[in-house]
Amino acid sequence: EIVLTQSPDFQSVTPKETVTITCRASQSVGGNLHWYQQKPNQSPKLLIRYVSQPFSGVPSRFTGSGSGADFTLTINSLEPEDAATYYCHQSSSLPLTFGGGTKVEIK
Amino acid sequence: QAQLVESGGGVVQPGRSLRLSCSASGFVFSSYGMHWVRQAPGKGLEWVAVISFDGSKTYYEDSVAGRFTISRDNSKNTLYLQMNSLRPEDTALYSCARVPATYAGDGFDIWGQGTMVTVST
Repeated sequence: EIVLTQSPDFQSVTPKETVTITCRASQSVGGNLHWYQQKPNQSPKLLIRYVSQPFSGVPSRFTGSGSGADFTLTINSLEPEDAATYYCHQSSSLPLTFGGGTKVEIK
Repeated sequence: QAQLVESGGGVVQPGRSLRLSCSASGFVFSSYGMHWVRQAPGKGLEWVAVISFDGSKTYYEDSVAGRFTISRDNSKNTLYLQMNSLRPEDTALYSCARVPATYAGDGFDIWGQGTMVTVST
């Protein structure tokens, strides 16, 4: 099983700041790494597919990067509505796995 | 508009069974791999199981393998999760999710709202 480790677990930031979330895999997942946003009492929403491809309708301030086993989600110029928990997910091999999540709070 | 709606959750005693359903609409259900993902209260996301577009392939997370069965009826646009020998640690919100692929590749682009399963005496 591929273990995904996210950091940090929690981040408190002010609007307009840049947020960087990392996701490290226990082995290479190639380009099969995706990012989700989950707001309280809502289902997760796909943000980024295959490391860096923004999903339909996702604001351009959300960008993904990385390769192999190290990946990053960057939120530029944070908006108040970006308060949420963010998860990475690998579809390289079964069982599929998620990272533990990073909660982003707006100060 | 593509949509997934789960049903069948509830409170059940340990060792008992429950069958969840996920009704799909707004897309060609028979073309896509489908998954179940769960989230225990206050916890993160945990992938549970996958079934290929035609039902010929399935795969399970280790802790549910042998107890849960994923299936689908493409004529009814419905996904199922039969859960047997339920344990307290199975307590979670169970959501179905679609991948824009025939089996397991890609991210989950459509999610249902989930149905809550509580395993307790």
